[in-house]
Amino acid sequence: GAVVSQHPSWVICKSGTSVKIECRSLDFQATTMFWYRQFPKQSLMLMATSNEGSKATYEQGVEKDKFLINHASLTLSTLTVTSAHPEDSSFYICSAVVLRGSSYNEQFFGPGTRLTVL
Amino acid sequence: QKEVEQNSGPLSVPEGAIASLNCTYSDRVSQSFFWYRQYSGKSPELIMSIYSNGDKEDGRFTAQLNKASQYVSLLIRDSQPSDSATYLCAVNIRPNSGYALNFGKGTSLLVTP
Repeated sequence: GAVVSQHPSWVICKSGTSVKIECRSLDFQATTMFWYRQFPKQSLMLMATSNEGSKATYEQGVEKDKFLINHASLTLSTLTVTSAHPEDSSFYICSAVVLRGSSYNEQFFGPGTRLTVL
Repeated sequence: QKEVEQNSGPLSVPEGAIASLNCTYSDRVSQSFFWYRQYSGKSPELIMSIYSNGDKEDGRFTAQLNKASQYVSLLIRDSQPSDSATYLCAVNIRPNSGYALNFGKGTSLLVTP
């Protein structure tokens, strides 16, 4: 199957500190990974597209200097929340796409990282 | 932002019944459609993908797609209490240029014993 892992699964930090979240594809290579954020009782919202070997593409309204994304290899993307504040507290979920032929794609999600900023 | 609309529910069905979940989308050029199940506090789990008009069956699940009506649905037969979860409809945001997903807000399903 297509397995995506995330680390850590949860983190609590003080306001103003930075937090790094790792996303790994365990049994396949992922040239593209995605980072989503989910607030309580809300749906997933795409934050950015992480491309191996190039700069990430951020969605409108997402601060690229605050949410640093690095996709250094075909199996690892990292999201760093810099100078975190309580409003950044959320469930961060990464995903990777498995391409099946030229037309079909399926996206698999990591287990998520729950960030709480005090 | 293109919209994906779902009834938030909760949808309550008795055990053994058919649960019917519906979703509409606004971007007419969307090509790929997905249903995910999300348990509270967990990340989404892919249930079905559908790309062509018509029905697609996988076990107790059937996805239905009607591109002319911009409508996609999920039927769950013989519903079980373990099916109680939030079901998210998702559509490719930018067809043919990436695979990021635009999610609906989800429908909460409760299957009662």
